[in-house]
Amino acid sequence: ELKVEQNPLFLSMQEGKNYTIYCNYSTTSDRLYWYRQDPGKSLESLFVLLSNGAVKQEGRLMASLDTKARLSTLHITAAVHDLSATYFCAVDRQGGSEKLVFGKGTKLTVNP
Amino acid sequence: EAEVAQSPRYKITEKSQAVAFWCDPISGHATLYWYRQILGQGPELLVQFQDESVVDDSQLPKDRFSAERLKGVDSTLKIQPAELGDSAMYLCASSPQGRTQYFGPGTRLLVL
Repeated sequence: ELKVEQNPLFLSMQEGKNYTIYCNYSTTSDRLYWYRQDPGKSLESLFVLLSNGAVKQEGRLMASLDTKARLSTLHITAAVHDLSATYFCAVDRQGGSEKLVFGKGTKLTVNP
Repeated sequence: EAEVAQSPRYKITEKSQAVAFWCDPISGHATLYWYRQILGQGPELLVQFQDESVVDDSQLPKDRFSAERLKGVDSTLKIQPAELGDSAMYLCASSPQGRTQYFGPGTRLLVL
């Protein structure tokens, strides 16, 4: 059974600081997604990582995938308040099947 | 920009009553998903359709939940009878086959 673990689950950081969210998964997969969710809202797709070593960047967020270590990271650079949200990683249960298993999410709060 | 539509956005019901949720996916998306998200958790897949056919309903509590997508376009998720533990956000998502899932705004269900 595929398990997806994120850490930390809660993250409070100051504006301007850097931090990394980690996503570990238990079985082989080569497709991983990062989503953002604002309170009471739906999920917004941020990144899809399709192969070992994949790196994607958008603004202050950068995601990477190491399929050998079964690890993805979401790095936040010079955080701003607008990045406050819950971030989920999701792993394709069977390669390419789109049957996603989500982590519990990391609730990020960026303080002025 | 095309979006996944869901209704109602909010539903309050008493336990043992029947409830139904509707989802209209992005036009042309063959794959449709229903997820349940309990507060503080990641979404959990309930059912996946490919056109009008169920691909995966292994996590759907079939004694009380049913889902259909009769013409391969919009879909309905029903709960009968509702229980207190069904209180959650119900999210619909759609995707072109094998691509990123796009989520609707969700239906927040409260069972009293």
